Formats: sequence, structure tokens, C-alpha cells
Amino acid sequence: AQTVTQSQPEMSVQEAETVTLSCTYDTSENNYYLFWYKQPPSRQMILVIRQEAYKQQNATENRFSVNFQKAAKSFSLKISDSQLGDTAMYFCASSTPFYFGNEKLTFGTGTRLTIIP
Amino acid sequence: DAGVTQSPTHLIKTRGQHVTLRCSPISGHKSVSWYQQVLGQGPQFIFQYYEKEERGRGNFPDRFSARQFPNYSSELNVNALLLGDSALYLCASRPGQGSEQYFGPGTRLTVT
Repeated sequence: AQTVTQSQPEMSVQEAETVTLSCTYDTSENNYYLFWYKQPPSRQMILVIRQEAYKQQNATENRFSVNFQKAAKSFSLKISDSQLGDTAMYFCASSTPFYFGNEKLTFGTGTRLTIIP
Repeated sequence: DAGVTQSPTHLIKTRGQHVTLRCSPISGHKSVSWYQQVLGQGPQFIFQYYEKEERGRGNFPDRFSARQFPNYSSELNVNALLLGDSALYLCASRPGQGSEQYFGPGTRLTVT
């Protein structure tokens, strides 16, 4: 079974600053994916960034980057130059390996991020 | 291109009733998954369907069932509703194995 833990229920940061959201996970699998999803008040779950566990290089998507520490089972999200539109719930998630199309996402409890003008 | 669509957006049911939630995946996507998100928590996996077959099931009672149709749309059925079934129900689709999931806007179910 996979578990995902987010220890920061809420965070806030001034606009244009950098913020890091923490996530730890546990899995017995060797092949898995890790994700950060954003859920604004509109409820739509939006993929922010994804990391393949077999890749050592940290994923980046514009202002978003991750620090993937496989041995420590840590997967933090860094948001640079934060914008008001970044205000949302952020969920860390892991997925099971892709056997026969069985790809279940396991989510953490989320971090509510508020960007202050 | 249209994203994942879900209907209805909101609904209110009474304990003991039955509910059917519907999901239309992105065109070309053959896999549909259902998640339950209770207020203040992360989504919990309920079902996954791929090519009209159930490929995964989460830790939910038999009151929850689902199916996928030949056009890859899906229904989630919940019988004998309990107050604890009140949640946001999310549907996600993906084109195939190893690809990201695209989520719909969800259906907010309130059980009174």
C-alpha cells in the first residue's frame, strides 16, 4: 500500500516570493510516479508537475519545480515568483505501477496555500 | 477540445436513496477513474475502468458500483446513501497506461 503525508495544512506567502510545500511518501514499489495537483476554489483538480521515480533529474515546469529525494521518500514542490492565481489547495499524490491499466492515485491531505497581495 | 465532463454539478439526496453520477471522458481516453473527496481531505480512489473492464477498486463498500459504456463514458452508482457519503465525487480520464489523469469538475453530493 502507498501512503502520502503532507505535514503543512496551511501556508501563506507574499506575492512574488518563493514557497516550498513538503510531501513524504511510502511505497514498496520500485516503479512509480509522483505528482503535485492544484485544486482552486473552482474544485477542478489540475496537474502541476509530475516526476518519474526512475529519473534522478528533478522535474520543472516554468515557476514550479520539485526536489525529489528517492532514498528519503521526499517530494517537495517549490513555487517561485508566486502569483495570486497560485492560491489553492495543493495535493501531493503517488501512483501505483502501470500493470494492466491499473493506475490508482493516492493523495495526501493537502496544503492550503494563500498568496498575499 | 472538451475536457472531462461530469453531471450533475450538485445534487441533494436523502439517506437510504440511490444516486447515479455520470462522467464523460476526454475524446480518445479509454480509462476512467472515480474518486471521493470528503471536505477537508484528499481524494480517495473508488474505481478504475479501462476498456470497459474494472481494473481497480478502492476500499469502499459494495453499495458503490460503477460501469463503463462502449463510448467510454462511465456511471458511478451508490445505493442506500448514508450521511457519510456526502462528498465531492471526481472523475478522471487518461488515454492509456503511463499517462497523466485529467480530472473533471466533480459532482457535489449532499446526503441529508
